[in-house]
Amino acid sequence: NAGVTQTPKFRVLKTGQSMTLLCAQDMNHEYMYWYRQDPGMGLRLIHYSVGEGTTAKGEVPDGYNVSRLKKQNFLLGLESAAPSQTSVYFCASSYSWTVNTEAFFGQGTRLTVV
Amino acid sequence: KNEVEQSPQNLTAQEGEFITINCSYSVGISALHWLQQHPGGGIVSLFMLSSGKKKHGRLIATINIQEKHSSLHITASHPRDSAVYICAEWYSGGGADGLTFGKGTHLIIQP
Repeated sequence: NAGVTQTPKFRVLKTGQSMTLLCAQDMNHEYMYWYRQDPGMGLRLIHYSVGEGTTAKGEVPDGYNVSRLKKQNFLLGLESAAPSQTSVYFCASSYSWTVNTEAFFGQGTRLTVV
Repeated sequence: KNEVEQSPQNLTAQEGEFITINCSYSVGISALHWLQQHPGGGIVSLFMLSSGKKKHGRLIATINIQEKHSSLHITASHPRDSAVYICAEWYSGGGADGLTFGKGTHLIIQP
């Protein structure tokens, strides 16, 4: 029962470097999300996808890009990392986008940009 | 903009104590979620409710729609309950659907 798997779990980047975070889910969920979690703040939505080939901006999309080429994978890219992007990133997926839908979260990726 | 407030931010208690964590939201909800986050770990969904009360083991979640308030209770608390508990409201309306998260309550249960 893998659920939602994120890779990598930890990463240190230098300012200006790029990287891609991978989220994979094996529950055949249509909806996938990327959140960031910062100290003293609630989880904030970066981007989300409502199905293969679709993406949409969330609350804090600047500096990030995403792709959903396969239904089970949702990639989050940082083209030119900045210290402000130091955070813990969580991927989540859900069966649908309705009020009674449970979201399943990954283990998180701790990213430090120096 | 919908806001979700949790209290207390931090809570330390002794093993066996009855724990209450509160969550208030600013607009009418469609559903409220309670989540658990262990140190260094991922986030797990505990409850999802839009009315009344739900119980799972030693955990009980209640919601009062009129007062825009929800509580998470832990009976006979145990050190393994130590975690961050997060409430999140599903808000639907005005073209903005999705979850708004509280900042979390950091719970420590001492043996």
